[in-house]
This record gives sequence, C-alpha cells and structure tokens, in this order.
Amino acid sequence: KAGVTQTPRYLIKTRGQQVTLSCSPISGHRSVSWYQQTPGQGLQFLFEYFSETQRNKGNFPGRFSGRQFSNSRSEMNVSTLELGDSALYLCASSLLTGQETQYFGPGTRLLVL
Amino acid sequence: KQEVTQIPAALSVPEGENLVLNCSFTDSAIYNLQWFRQDPGKGLTSLLLIQSSQREQTSGRLNASLDKSSGRSTLYIAASQPGDSATYLCAVPLKETSGSRLTFGEGTQLTVNP
Repeated sequence: KAGVTQTPRYLIKTRGQQVTLSCSPISGHRSVSWYQQTPGQGLQFLFEYFSETQRNKGNFPGRFSGRQFSNSRSEMNVSTLELGDSALYLCASSLLTGQETQYFGPGTRLLVL
Repeated sequence: KQEVTQIPAALSVPEGENLVLNCSFTDSAIYNLQWFRQDPGKGLTSLLLIQSSQREQTSGRLNASLDKSSGRSTLYIAASQPGDSATYLCAVPLKETSGSRLTFGEGTQLTVNP
C-alpha cells in the first residue's frame, strides 16, 4: 500500500507570492491534517479535512487555507508569503476519526526569500 | 489547553544501551498517545499508538507505556543501535476536539554512538 505522498518536496518562493502544496493520503483514508514544523515553534496544527469539510482549524492567519477533494486528496494554500512561513509542511492521513494511527508524508520544505 | 513536554531534550548513549524517553501531558482526557520518529529533514514515522485504555504497547525493541491518570508516557528502547539515532516525538489528540488534531511535544533528539 502506497504511503502518504506530498508534492512538491522542495519549493523556493519570494515574499508576497502564493504557494499551493498537495497531499495524497493513503488509499481509503478520509482524514487529512496539515502541520507546520519550524525549529522555533515545533509542530503546529494547521487544519484537518474530512469528507471535503474542514473539521478542525489551528491558530493560523487567514492567509493559510486548504481544501479536500472527493478523492480525499488535499491542498493547502498560503497567500502573501512572509519570511516566517519558511518551514517544513507535513500532512498526515488517517482512516476516519483520527483516533487511529496517523501516517505522515515526507513533507514539503518551503523557503521564502 | 493541552501541553505536552518531553524530557530530556537530547540524549547521547553508547550502542547497546537500554534507554527511556519521557513524555508528559497536562490534560488526561485523551483518546490515545502516539510515538513518532523523525529523521533529519524527513517526515514522521509512526512507531506505536497506545490507546487510553491500554497500559503498554510493544513493537520489536520498543515498548511504550501510558499512565493516563498521572499524565505520563514512556518509550523504552532496548539494545539501542546507531540506526535508532533520530528525534522522537510523542503526540496526543484531545477528546474535546473531534478528529485528528494532535498536540506534539518538542521531541527528544537521540544519538546512539557506535
């Protein structure tokens, strides 16, 4: 069974630009969560999607948004990039409720110059 | 608000040693606790998930215990190997929030020296 995949793996953008990251969950998994990881803040929850609906949202500004498609694939978008958005963005998938094991993808490394 | 703490922040041991990593959480209303491993610049690999009703969970040389009432979990690694070198993270989902929102500790960076 294929694991969680994320594209692209690396990305360089400049301040003010926008970026879209993609996550394909494990086949059959319906919950997709996104996290931001930085050396200073650690792993922080961005949002979770389940059956195309946002189920949970973390404390990030409105520049961070996401969506989920009918095949459970998810995208997150960051508009008006800031230097502080440089981070490793991880997505995780789980079967249904999130009370099961969550499986993480390899991440997208975003560098904002 | 759930807070998760991991001690120590870093640990360096010689190969073959048994070791214990600690995780504590402030809110005991959890569904489960999950231990992950992260290699530098990589994603997280799930090691063990221990349900709130369980006391222990084992996988190979790894053993995780959970004491929900005291807000503690430990990850025991037997006969450590250089390949075990990584950052180990624990994470909990809160019962009051439905779904998959995990709160993570800051991690323990483990180095196993040959």
